[in-house]
Amino acid sequence: DTGVSQDPRHKITKRGQNVTFRCDPISEHNRLYWYRQTLGQGPEFLTYFQNEAQLEKSRLLSDRFSAERPKGSFSTLEIQRTEQGDSAMYLCASSSGTSGRAFQETQYFGPGTRLLVL
Amino acid sequence: AQKVTQAQTEISVVEKEDVTLDCVYETRDTTYYLFWYKQPPSGELVFLIRRNSFDEQNEISGRYSWNFQKSTSSFNFTITASQVVDSAVYFCALIFSNTGNQFYFGTGTSLTVIP
Repeated sequence: DTGVSQDPRHKITKRGQNVTFRCDPISEHNRLYWYRQTLGQGPEFLTYFQNEAQLEKSRLLSDRFSAERPKGSFSTLEIQRTEQGDSAMYLCASSSGTSGRAFQETQYFGPGTRLLVL
Repeated sequence: AQKVTQAQTEISVVEKEDVTLDCVYETRDTTYYLFWYKQPPSGELVFLIRRNSFDEQNEISGRYSWNFQKSTSSFNFTITASQVVDSAVYFCALIFSNTGNQFYFGTGTSLTVIP
């Protein structure tokens, strides 16, 4: 399977703990996106990478959140000092990066990491 | 401001019935793309269709069809002869040319197909 993969699929943590999620995009996809989805809502954009460069961050991405894509392949999303409001599904998507503009591409999503903060 | 509206929160149909999922969007841009994604219980968003703002042709793919009307800012999705496997949450999404790195998703329509 060459789709987007995410690990872990589920994470339960206690408030105040740090968590880290990993996303492996479709091979050779240059663009990578993180979204957050809460119950009953559509996904909300968090951040975007083109290769290893983080080009855009949403206001939703507070100082406790950090994302990296060190070699332009996989990405990690870390949440420090988790709060109950961080409980959500965290989705990763990737697109090919072959078009001149990101909006011209289709984003392919992974299965998500479901986080529960107790 | 909400940019994509899916007014139907939940729909139930009996298998083999046709069903239309509504999507209304708001934008001042002339260049944008509209998408539909399916999210089954497993959670993964599955890409269904992409349509750019300059292409108002309706599209049919098997049992799926899409009606794009710029005059009413709508991009509706019809499933013909629904099947139980169509049960999922369906999201309409919009991406603009000037903020092309992020989707604006609707709140989704949960479709249940009853056997």
